[in-house]
Amino acid sequence: DVKVTQSSRYLVKRTGEKVFLECVQDMDHENMFWYRQDPGLGLRLIYFSYDVKMKEKGDIPEGYSVSREKKERFSLILESASTNQTSMYLCASSASSWWSTDTQYFGPGTRLTVL
Amino acid sequence: DAKTTQPPSMDCAEGRAANLPCNHSTISGNEYVYWYRQIHSQGPQYIIHGLKNNETNEMASLIITEDRKSSTLILPHATLRDTAVYYCIVRVEGGSQGNLIFGKGTKLSVKP
Repeated sequence: DVKVTQSSRYLVKRTGEKVFLECVQDMDHENMFWYRQDPGLGLRLIYFSYDVKMKEKGDIPEGYSVSREKKERFSLILESASTNQTSMYLCASSASSWWSTDTQYFGPGTRLTVL
Repeated sequence: DAKTTQPPSMDCAEGRAANLPCNHSTISGNEYVYWYRQIHSQGPQYIIHGLKNNETNEMASLIITEDRKSSTLILPHATLRDTAVYYCIVRVEGGSQGNLIFGKGTKLSVKP
C-alpha cells in the first residue's frame, strides 16, 4: 500500500514564525503535491513537484515555498506565518512521470493553527 | 469549479449497499471519473476511477452510464467505518490539470 506520512497531525504557531511541514512517501512516486483545505473552499493546490529539485506553483502559492531535495520528501514552508494560513494542509503523491495522469494518494493532514 | 453534482447527504443502514450518485453532464471524452472519500479529520482516500466501462475493486464498484453523464459509486456492504464525505471528480488524463478539484461531496452516514 502507498504510504504518505506528514510530520505532525496538529500544529500551533504564532504569527511571524517560520513553519515547516514535512511530507514523506514510500512508494518512489515522482509527483508530490501540497494542498490546503478550508470549509466551503474545498482543496486548493499550493505547490507541486514532478521531480527532485523541481517545483511548480499551484493556484495559491503566495506566502508559501517548497523544497524537494530527495524524491521521497516534499516540504512546505511558511516563511512568516499569518492567521489566514490557519488551515488543514494535505500532502499527496502520485506515480506518473506525466504528473497529471495518475491517482493521488494523500497523507493524514496537518491541522495548522496560527495565533 | 467542480464539474460534478452530488446530493449533500445520504443515510445507509449498516450491512446494506450504499449507492452514491454523481452527475457530470458536461464531461468530456478524455475525462475520467474519480471517487475519493474523506473521513473526518483525515486526508482524502482514493476509492476507484473509470472512463466508460464499469469498474470494481476491493472497496467499491463504479457504474458509469452509457452517455457518461452520470455515475454511481456502490459500497456493497456498508459499515460504520464507511461514514465519510464522498467526492466525485472528473479529471483530464494528461494536460495541465494535475490538481484535484473537490466539490462539496456527499456526506454518507452509515447507521447501525
